[in-house]
Amino acid sequence: DTAVSQTPKYLVTQMGNDKSIKCEQNLGHDTMYWYKQDSKKFLKIMFSYNNKELIINETVPNRFSPKSPDKAHLNLHINSLELGDSAVYFCASSQAESEQFFGPGTRLTVL
Amino acid sequence: GDSVTQMEGPVTLSEEAFLTINCTYTATGYPSLFWYVQYPGEGLQLLLKATKADDKGSNKGFEATYRKETTSFHLEKGSVQVSDSAVYFCALSKYNFNKFYFGSGTKLNVKP
Repeated sequence: DTAVSQTPKYLVTQMGNDKSIKCEQNLGHDTMYWYKQDSKKFLKIMFSYNNKELIINETVPNRFSPKSPDKAHLNLHINSLELGDSAVYFCASSQAESEQFFGPGTRLTVL
Repeated sequence: GDSVTQMEGPVTLSEEAFLTINCTYTATGYPSLFWYVQYPGEGLQLLLKATKADDKGSNKGFEATYRKETTSFHLEKGSVQVSDSAVYFCALSKYNFNKFYFGSGTKLNVKP
């Protein structure tokens, strides 16, 4: 069974569109994260939720809005997509005193 | 603030060569330290970790020792294989692991 899953794996869209990426974890973890990885592999945390509550919100444009309907799901909605949003987005989860488990990533390409 | 610095890549080695990837950190208190590996087209996987000074993490022939006196957590492997080609990330965490700080990643290429 996949521990942390993301959909879709690839997303190609036009500038200005709105899109969502979904993440689910079946590990029973309390904390979930979204990261953005650029073309140079640099990994930047965007958001973190603990038990459906936002606990980390790094400097991210407000076009990005995370939503956690329950502690097993953390979705990322992006409005008015821009060229610079092209990247690989990773979801991760963790439990206190344990490491983070990452999903396989969603490669977003904005044309 | 807290941060992780690791050597820039890419690092290119021949099979069976010795590997060292340097990682140093800046943090107050007592962070936990990690190495993650990212194979092409995949997400990050935990490779090893150490939660206190002088601890040695090890997995799949890789080792790293938590050195508080030099604030370092260098990754080593005695004999690399082609299948070790990947990007390696050093990371630290504090406060019950809720926030991680990742290094910039080091790409390793191993040639047959």
